[in-house]
Amino acid sequence: EVQLVESGGGLVQPGGSLRLSCAASGFTFSSYSMNWVRQAPGKGLEWVSYISSSSSTIYYADSVKGRFTISRDNAKNSLYLQMNSLRDEDTAVYYCARRKNSGYSWGQGTLVTVSS
Amino acid sequence: QSVLTQPPSVSAAPGQKVTISCSGSSSNIGNNYVSWYQQLPGTAPKLLIYDNNKRPSGIPDRFSGSKSGTSATLGITGLQTGDEADYYCGTWDSSLSAQGVFGGGTKLTVL
Repeated sequence: EVQLVESGGGLVQPGGSLRLSCAASGFTFSSYSMNWVRQAPGKGLEWVSYISSSSSTIYYADSVKGRFTISRDNAKNSLYLQMNSLRDEDTAVYYCARRKNSGYSWGQGTLVTVSS
Repeated sequence: QSVLTQPPSVSAAPGQKVTISCSGSSSNIGNNYVSWYQQLPGTAPKLLIYDNNKRPSGIPDRFSGSKSGTSATLGITGLQTGDEADYYCGTWDSSLSAQGVFGGGTKLTVL
């Protein structure tokens, strides 16, 4: 069974930084591309970033480009999202999502609140 | 403003059928597979349909997906009160700035 467990969320001031982690189990992590997707309170899903299985290809949403960095450690079955220069509008639940074929399997999410 | 367009809400009675549309363009739906997700209140999204019309194991055949041109449709038959949820379509956008895209979501009410 695919299991994705996010951690690292919390309250941070505008302009601050936070690093999210996602621990994967139940599948061969190194064989799959991974994504971060977020959902602001009461809003819809917003794709944030993609990383290929070997880390050779990375994409970002325009809204986070230059501020967020996605990475992975296949030896540790872990996915990361380094978030810098955080803004109020980055407040959301952040989901780690495995991409298989065209569909995503999701973790339970971690809440990031950006507020002074 | 979402890249993919979904109706904000749909409703139907228990036992009836409902469809949810998802409209895009040639750079996303027109040239990529579509997936659909169900999000029950307070929970993470759950994959219902991938590759336009395939169901993961454990998803009942009451749920179906189709795609034509730059639009996709999710169908749900034999509606149950437990189907009340938000539904999202998603795909990849292969334009200059490659990125994942989702619809704005559709709230299904089972009357």
